[in-house]
Amino acid sequence: AQSVTQLDSHVSVSEGTPVLLRCNYSSSYSPSLFWYVQHPNKGLQLLLKYTSAATLVKGINGFEAEFKKSETSFHLTKPSAHMSDAAEYFCVVSYSGNTPLVFGKGTRLSVIA
Amino acid sequence: GAVVSQHPSWVICKSGTSVKIECRSLDFQATTMFWYRQFPKQSLMLMATSNEGSKATYEQGVEKDKFLINHASLTLSTLTVTSAHPEDSSFYICSARATVGRTSGELFFGEGSRLTVL
Repeated sequence: AQSVTQLDSHVSVSEGTPVLLRCNYSSSYSPSLFWYVQHPNKGLQLLLKYTSAATLVKGINGFEAEFKKSETSFHLTKPSAHMSDAAEYFCVVSYSGNTPLVFGKGTRLSVIA
Repeated sequence: GAVVSQHPSWVICKSGTSVKIECRSLDFQATTMFWYRQFPKQSLMLMATSNEGSKATYEQGVEKDKFLINHASLTLSTLTVTSAHPEDSSFYICSARATVGRTSGELFFGEGSRLTVL
């Protein structure tokens, strides 16, 4: 069965320090992988996506993620956290066509001044 | 870029009434739309897949008579919560998959609709 695991439910970092949000997926096929961000009472905004092109994907707001097939991982990183990055982050996997996305449980990022 | 509009963004209703939430793809066509429900501090739970011109496919445990889904056109899907009760209070989010053009295959999310049933 397809699944995606976000290893940390909550991550707290100081402003200006690096961010690492971890995500692992299980799959027998080549998936498409996404990271979405959700601010309180808002919809989801796409940060970046991997669709079998370059394994290092750059997204918006300085975020990037690296697809590592050997580790079945797609961790999200940012060199320097900003207060506005505080939000809920979802790692998401899609397998084909019109199949719905599979969401991770989310990681809440807190940024301390 | 492609935009998905949900309306209303928030609604408060009395127990026993029905509430309709609209999901529109504003500048692209979407033969498939998805409806999700999100409880506080939790991830999104897929409720149903809405296909234009045909019946929606509901996930296990989701009552199709409770959550009526209509996808009458390539740009509009509606979710009606019938005879709403307090336990139906939640954040409902739709998403639409673009079928043609530059963004074909991409999934776009609405801003969500917060339902509070008193």
